[in-house]
Amino acid sequence: QKEVEQNSGPLSVPEGAIASLNCTYSDRVSQSFFWYRQYSGKSPELIMSIYSNGDKEDGRFTAQLNKASQYVSLLIRDSQPSDSATYLCAVNKGDKIIFGKGTRLHILP
Amino acid sequence: EAGVAQSPRYKIIEKRQSVAFWCNPISGHATLYWYQQILGQGPKLLIQFQNNGVVDDSQLPKDRFSAERLKGVDSTLKIQPAKLEDSAVYLCASSLDRLGQPQHFGDGTRLSIL
Repeated sequence: QKEVEQNSGPLSVPEGAIASLNCTYSDRVSQSFFWYRQYSGKSPELIMSIYSNGDKEDGRFTAQLNKASQYVSLLIRDSQPSDSATYLCAVNKGDKIIFGKGTRLHILP
Repeated sequence: EAGVAQSPRYKIIEKRQSVAFWCNPISGHATLYWYQQILGQGPKLLIQFQNNGVVDDSQLPKDRFSAERLKGVDSTLKIQPAKLEDSAVYLCASSLDRLGQPQHFGDGTRLSIL
């Protein structure tokens, strides 16, 4: 099992709909979870961090963490064309941060 | 707050040549990371510094890659000699400390090996 797994996509979502991005991780003792957005040709940009089970909301973004299932997700409400990007899930393993390969999201106008 | 600074933004060299990248982290950030990102993949950690000490360099190809962080601030990453498979974007990131804090990335250096 890969340490951090994401579906590479592309995930196509109509404008205005909810985009749901998923990530699973292998280390049961991981405590820190991050979602980064990366536009083509740009560097990753932190959009959400979550440390406790449950939901964390920030504007149109909601991160959901389920440590028992080793699963973290990102929901984007009211998707906009500007949300089209690659979304990277990152999880700590001890003192290291391990990145997934990312999910390409395409918002259809 | 000034972000992570990297230079150069782009570099084109021939295989077997050498190249160096520079990074200046966010002021006060103790932890500095160098990542390699190949097109279509997530960032791969090459080396992690805590102040001027190495925390993890398990994925650094030490026969050709080297990195240092003198005085616990700026860092340089060097490749000598370069191979075709080194073509990638090299990202520098920093965080307050290594204990699960989010990382902030620089703009990266796009390296092309001919």
